[in-house]
Amino acid sequence: EAGVAQSPRYKIIEKRQSVAFWCNPISGHATLYWYQQILGQGPKLLIQFQNNGVVDDSQLPKDRFSAERLKGVDSTLKIQPAKLEDSAVYLCASSLSGGTHNEQFFGPGTRLTVL
Amino acid sequence: ILNVEQSPQSLHVQEGDSTNFTCSFPSSNFYALHWYRWETAKSPEALFVMTLNGDEKKKGRISATLNTKEGYSYLYIKGSQPEDSATYLCAFPGSGYSTLTFGKGTMLLVSP
Repeated sequence: EAGVAQSPRYKIIEKRQSVAFWCNPISGHATLYWYQQILGQGPKLLIQFQNNGVVDDSQLPKDRFSAERLKGVDSTLKIQPAKLEDSAVYLCASSLSGGTHNEQFFGPGTRLTVL
Repeated sequence: ILNVEQSPQSLHVQEGDSTNFTCSFPSSNFYALHWYRWETAKSPEALFVMTLNGDEKKKGRISATLNTKEGYSYLYIKGSQPEDSATYLCAFPGSGYSTLTFGKGTMLLVSP
């Protein structure tokens, strides 16, 4: 079974620039998550999709971050404009469905550096 | 805001040593407790999803226990090997959804 794919793996941008990350979840997984992991912290959920609908985006800084999951498969996360504090690893994960017992499968992440 | 605490923050052991880490979480409204292993430059990998008080799960040399009444879980590694070097994360869904709150992790380094 193919895992969760993410691209790019690394990105370096200057502050105030825009950046977009892409995620392809495991085939058949209805639930997709975007996490932000800042050095020294645990991953923090930014947004959770169930198919193409948003379940939880309470921790997404909506003034600069946006995400979509058109057709309930692939997803993109965008930052516009980026700030220095956005430097982090952005992880995408998917699970068969929502639910507290479901294992989440993670992609390798995108390491973003904002200069 | 849920409080998921992990200790120690980091650990350095010699090959062959056994070790354990702790994850503490709110004991009320328990749904499940997840353990993940995250090796450098790789994807975080699920180790265990624990759901019942008194649960004990095992995968090779790694095992975990769960006490939901007092709000903690232990992860044990028997006979650590260099390939066990990774960050071990625990995560707690604080509601009926799968939204996980992660601890900061325990970074394990096993020297040959």
